[in-house]
Amino acid sequence: EAQVTQNPRYLITVTGKKLTVTCSQNMNHEYMSWYRQDPGLGLRQIYYSMNVEVTDKGDVPEGYKVSRKEKRNFPLILESPSPNQTSLYFCASSATSGGRTGELFFGEGSRLTVL
Amino acid sequence: GQNIDQPTEMTATEGAIVQINCTYQTSGFNGLFWYQQHAGEAPTFLSYNVLDGLEEKGRFSSFLSRSKGYSYLLLKELQMKDSASYLCAVNSNYQLIWGAGTKLIIKP
Repeated sequence: EAQVTQNPRYLITVTGKKLTVTCSQNMNHEYMSWYRQDPGLGLRQIYYSMNVEVTDKGDVPEGYKVSRKEKRNFPLILESPSPNQTSLYFCASSATSGGRTGELFFGEGSRLTVL
Repeated sequence: GQNIDQPTEMTATEGAIVQINCTYQTSGFNGLFWYQQHAGEAPTFLSYNVLDGLEEKGRFSSFLSRSKGYSYLLLKELQMKDSASYLCAVNSNYQLIWGAGTKLIIKP
């Protein structure tokens, strides 16, 4: 089954404790992206990757890191989480970044709470 | 700057028709997407328009006017399961610009 898998789905952590949210897709997609979603603000892009070893900042990259060492995986790293990073996070992938094949497939989401 | 506007919330009656509008101002245009998102779940793809006109897919249709920077999503024969948020997104220079979404409430 074609899917994007994120883990963990739910996490409560404390300020400053490093954490990683994993993301894996099995569709051989070139493009991957991380979003956060907060009430009233819609989806905001954190980082994206056009292909292996190519990553770029999105609209809200501060406090986050990513890597793309393999095509299928795109982990999101919070080196020192703060309460303002409490949010619902989505990983998404698409075959390309443009046109009809730019249709995004989303993971189920990771709800993160930073105390 | 780049901007996408949608109504925050709409209410409609089961069995009726509703039109959700989206206006955009972006530096580039490579297509417009509509996604559906149920509360607490991931967005799922509904439609894609890149040329002017209407695209019909079952009970859902999407319209695009590039000259006006305008799109709408038309939902017919509304069902309770259509209660969700509907997200408009424009592919501008190969990056997606998202609207904040329209929460659609369906009443019996």
